[in-house]
Amino acid sequence: QVQLVESGGGLVQPGKSLRLSCVASGFTFSDYAIHWVRQAPGKGLMWVAVIGYNGQHKNYVETVKGRFTVSRDSSKNTAYLEMNSLRREDTAVYFCVKDVDVYSTGWTPGSWGQGTLVTVSS
Amino acid sequence: QSVLAQPPSVSGAPRQRVTISCSGRSFNIENNAVNWYQQLPGKAPKLLIYYDNRLPSGVSARFSGSKSGTSASLAISGLQSEDEADYYCASWDDSVNGYVFGTGTKVTVL
Repeated sequence: QVQLVESGGGLVQPGKSLRLSCVASGFTFSDYAIHWVRQAPGKGLMWVAVIGYNGQHKNYVETVKGRFTVSRDSSKNTAYLEMNSLRREDTAVYFCVKDVDVYSTGWTPGSWGQGTLVTVSS
Repeated sequence: QSVLAQPPSVSGAPRQRVTISCSGRSFNIENNAVNWYQQLPGKAPKLLIYYDNRLPSGVSARFSGSKSGTSASLAISGLQSEDEADYYCASWDDSVNGYVFGTGTKVTVL
């Protein structure tokens, strides 16, 4: 069965950096786009970014453009979200999500990990 | 920045049918597929409906989706206590070139 396990969250000061990892299993990792979605405490869902199945296509929500970078390593079945210049409003649980469609640039987030909490505070 | 509007809450008695609306624009709902997610308390979201009305494997047929123009709906028939959760619609949005979620609806079983 599809499994996605995020890690790398924690407490970080404003302006600092953090890298999240998402280890995938149960499917052919290199065939599917991976999304990142976040949820601030007590708030709704917000899509953050997507990386296409082959790593060539990347897209970001406006509020993180220039600060966050998505990448993937198919040899490790792992996707990454590099977060720089973190702000207090980036505080959230970050989920990685496998796309529904094979060989897609990423249109339909499907299977979710359990999430990792990022807290930006001094 | 939710651009898809949902009612904050919906409630119903056990075995009743409830619907959740999702209102958008031509550059999201009308021109792109609508997906629905269920988030049980303290859990990660789960895909409930994709491509407007398709059920993923393992999802109960009590859930159904529909779309007309710039609006979409999720229906839950035979409401059960285990359906108490937050529900989100979502779609690709051509105007921002990104995926957008609805504001979310809390379903309460009376």
